Amino acid sequence: GESVGLHLPTLSVQEGDNSIINCAYSNSASDYFIWYKQESGKGPQFIIDIRSNMDKRQGQRVTVLLNKTVKHLSLQIAATQPGDSAVYFCAENQGGTYKYIFGTGTRLKVLA
Amino acid sequence: EAQVTQNPRYLITVTGKKLTVTCSQNMNHEYMSWYRQDPGLGLRQIYYSMNVEVTDKGDVPEGYKVSRKEKRNFPLILESPSPNQTSLYFCASSSQSREQYFGPGTRLTVT
Repeated sequence: GESVGLHLPTLSVQEGDNSIINCAYSNSASDYFIWYKQESGKGPQFIIDIRSNMDKRQGQRVTVLLNKTVKHLSLQIAATQPGDSAVYFCAENQGGTYKYIFGTGTRLKVLA
Repeated sequence: EAQVTQNPRYLITVTGKKLTVTCSQNMNHEYMSWYRQDPGLGLRQIYYSMNVEVTDKGDVPEGYKVSRKEKRNFPLILESPSPNQTSLYFCASSSQSREQYFGPGTRLTVT
């Protein structure tokens, strides 16, 4: 809900512009990465994933970029819409385990 | 409809009174997990289960128990809740693809 987003970094973008949300991950052995969207009062919702043998993956209006050299992940949202307003989390997972490490999240605000 | 359900959605209880939060999925997923979400800390994994009768600790297991007697259910048990367990709890499930589906959350307050 709203309370978990109180201390999050916030990205404000104009409707129609592109958004870029960044995430630094911690484990160099992680080989699977996911972006989630969490709307107020709801559970996280899968957006897109990428495995470590790829640098880029595209979905519908979203692109994930992976830079393993600096352990950095980014989510690009094209033509941002009001419905994109939410908190976005990255998560990492190491193959062979079911342990997931989540980032603290970024709040995206879309300005009309 | 494919989904993960949790009950109750909201719970206020007192210190020391045992409680159980249920989680059920209808997607025949092998893997299930519990997380807690706190301001500024993101989602932290409490326990996970790779299949029936197979469970393992996540990053913050202290004060929690789980069981996996059936594939579809993965209850979270707080034997003696304390105020520091006040949090928003999420259950998740996935298949071998590792894409997790999350439940709607349970907001727990321990006074």
